[in-house]
Amino acid sequence: DAGVTQSPTHLIKTRGQHVTLRCSPISGHKSVSWYQQVLGQGPQFIFQYYEKEERGRGNFPDRFSARQFPNYSSELNVNALLLGDSALYLCASSSLLGGASYEQYFGPGTRLTVT
Amino acid sequence: EDQVTQSPEALRLQEGESSSLNCSYTVSGLRGLFWYRQDPGKGPEFLFTLYSAGEEKEKERLKATLTKKESFLHITAPKPEDSATYLCAVLTTDSWGKLQFGAGTQVVVTP
Repeated sequence: DAGVTQSPTHLIKTRGQHVTLRCSPISGHKSVSWYQQVLGQGPQFIFQYYEKEERGRGNFPDRFSARQFPNYSSELNVNALLLGDSALYLCASSSLLGGASYEQYFGPGTRLTVT
Repeated sequence: EDQVTQSPEALRLQEGESSSLNCSYTVSGLRGLFWYRQDPGKGPEFLFTLYSAGEEKEKERLKATLTKKESFLHITAPKPEDSATYLCAVLTTDSWGKLQFGAGTQVVVTP
């Protein structure tokens, strides 16, 4: 079975630009969460979507937005990029159904560099 | 405020030298505690979920335990391929999907 997939793998953007990151969850999983991980730190929660609705938001500015599509894939959008947005962006999926439902499985991440 | 602290920050082991990593947490209510392994530049790989104090899970050379205040990840007779950063995360009862991570323990196992 395919795991969580993310695209692109790497991305280089200039300050002030906009970026869109994409994620496809494990088949059958209806929840997607997004995380930002800077070097040397644990991942920080940005958003959770379940059944196409936002179910949680972390402490990130309004420049960050996301959405979930009917096929449960998701996009993370970041506007007006800052140097500090350079990080590994991780997507995780979970089923939220059944006994092991809270387990989150991560994709390989998108490495974003802002210059 | 919910908090997750991992120690030590880094650990260097000889092959076969067993050790333990610590994850202490302060949360209003615990839904579950999760352990992940992360290789450089890659996404975290799920290892274990622990839901209640006293619970233990094992996988090959790894064993995770949980108390009301902390979790331990025991690495028995490690091999060089066990070198990675080990992350612990908590999910609180007021959330379905917001994992709160510690900063991780970087483990290096030398032959």
